[in-house]
Amino acid sequence: SYVVTQPPSVSVAPGKTARITCGGTNIGDKSVHWYQQKPGQAPVLVISYDSDRPSGIPERFSGSNSGNTAALTISGVEAGDEADYYCHVWDSPTDYVFGPGTRVTVL
Amino acid sequence: VQLEESGGGVVQPGRSLRLSCAASGFTFSTYSMHWVRQAPGKGLEWVAVVSFDGTNENYADSVKGRFTISRDNSKNTLFLQMNSLRTEDTAVYYCARVVEEMATTGPIDYWGQGTLVTVSS
Repeated sequence: SYVVTQPPSVSVAPGKTARITCGGTNIGDKSVHWYQQKPGQAPVLVISYDSDRPSGIPERFSGSNSGNTAALTISGVEAGDEADYYCHVWDSPTDYVFGPGTRVTVL
Repeated sequence: VQLEESGGGVVQPGRSLRLSCAASGFTFSTYSMHWVRQAPGKGLEWVAVVSFDGTNENYADSVKGRFTISRDNSKNTLFLQMNSLRTEDTAVYYCARVVEEMATTGPIDYWGQGTLVTVSS
């Protein structure tokens, strides 16, 4: 089955930029979605189809996907962005894969 | 849109449990649905998906042959029948909706709050 990797943690100062990667073989050929999950809550979709931002998600969240790496970028990080972030990939024909998750800590 | 899971609890290894997910606020019969689980302190793990009309199902290798996903569109309800439970099946189980009507793949836009299943002797 398809395997994706994420860094376990990313630390960032308020106002700076956090970049969370999702690695996989030729992941650029697939659609990647990103979810934010805060403690005790269900996940929330923050980026779909590599770079689309759902309604209500701040412009500070953006995504990219090329080659073997997809990325979620959070610009102007705020304290409220502290959470776990998961990438999500569908690998034909029937493999739905979540990354292991990245904990973002705001310093 | 609301998704409300029920049926979780404590069960012994080898026993069975059936989870339900009551859906409201949207046309349930036009959306594919997933079950996704999260073991305590761990990440998200996809479990199963069923197409909007119930004709197609897919499972993670970890549950294939033990779990069955199904739906009753007349009652706006999603199910997960879990047999031969193992301690490693202990997790919060979420039901979740695929964002696009009639699609099986694609992102998930709505999640329930989850129901905890604990498999322990």
